[in-house]
Amino acid sequence: DIQMTQSPSTLSASVGDRVTITCRASQSISSWLAWYQQKPGKAPKLLIYKASSLESGVPSRFSGSGSGTEFTLTISSLQPDDFASYYCQQYNSYSRMFTFGQGTRLEIK
Amino acid sequence: QVQLVQSGAEVKKPGASVKVSCKASGYTFTNYYMHWVRQAPGQGLEWMGWINPNSGDTNYAQKFQGRVTMTRDTSISTAYMELSGLRSDDTAVYYCAREMAVAGHLRAFDIWGQGTMVTVSS
Repeated sequence: DIQMTQSPSTLSASVGDRVTITCRASQSISSWLAWYQQKPGKAPKLLIYKASSLESGVPSRFSGSGSGTEFTLTISSLQPDDFASYYCQQYNSYSRMFTFGQGTRLEIK
Repeated sequence: QVQLVQSGAEVKKPGASVKVSCKASGYTFTNYYMHWVRQAPGQGLEWMGWINPNSGDTNYAQKFQGRVTMTRDTSISTAYMELSGLRSDDTAVYYCAREMAVAGHLRAFDIWGQGTMVTVSS
């Protein structure tokens, strides 16, 4: 199985900050990487798919990059609504299985 | 509008089975793979497996093989996830999630159900 290592596990930041979250895969996953935002008591919301494609309706301050084994989610200027948990998710085209990263909790400094 | 509506909360005893339903509306049910993801209290997301509603083909995470069964009823656009041999650590919110498909499968989940809380307790 491909392991996903997401960092940091917790991130403290202020409104207006630029923040970056990283996911590393234990082997190449091409561009099969997605990012989700989750708020307490709610289902996850898709932000980015295929490593860098912005889901419809998601603000442009969210962006994704990377390929192979290293990926990043960047929020260019944090807004109050962005304080939530974030998860990466990978797809292994060989086994046709999926894995989530451990998650990053983004909190207000 | 496109939505997934799941069945209600369940309380089960250890060793029992639970079957959660996920009714799709607003799109062609057989055109999109359906996945199941769970989240234990205070923990992260855990992928369980997928079903192709068109063919009935399934693929389960290794952790759940032998205990999980995913099925569907195309006549009512509903997917099901049954988990057997329940243990206390199966206590979690279980989500169904649709896999994106735009000119091919995109390996990300764009529509999620509201979640079903399953509590396993003696």
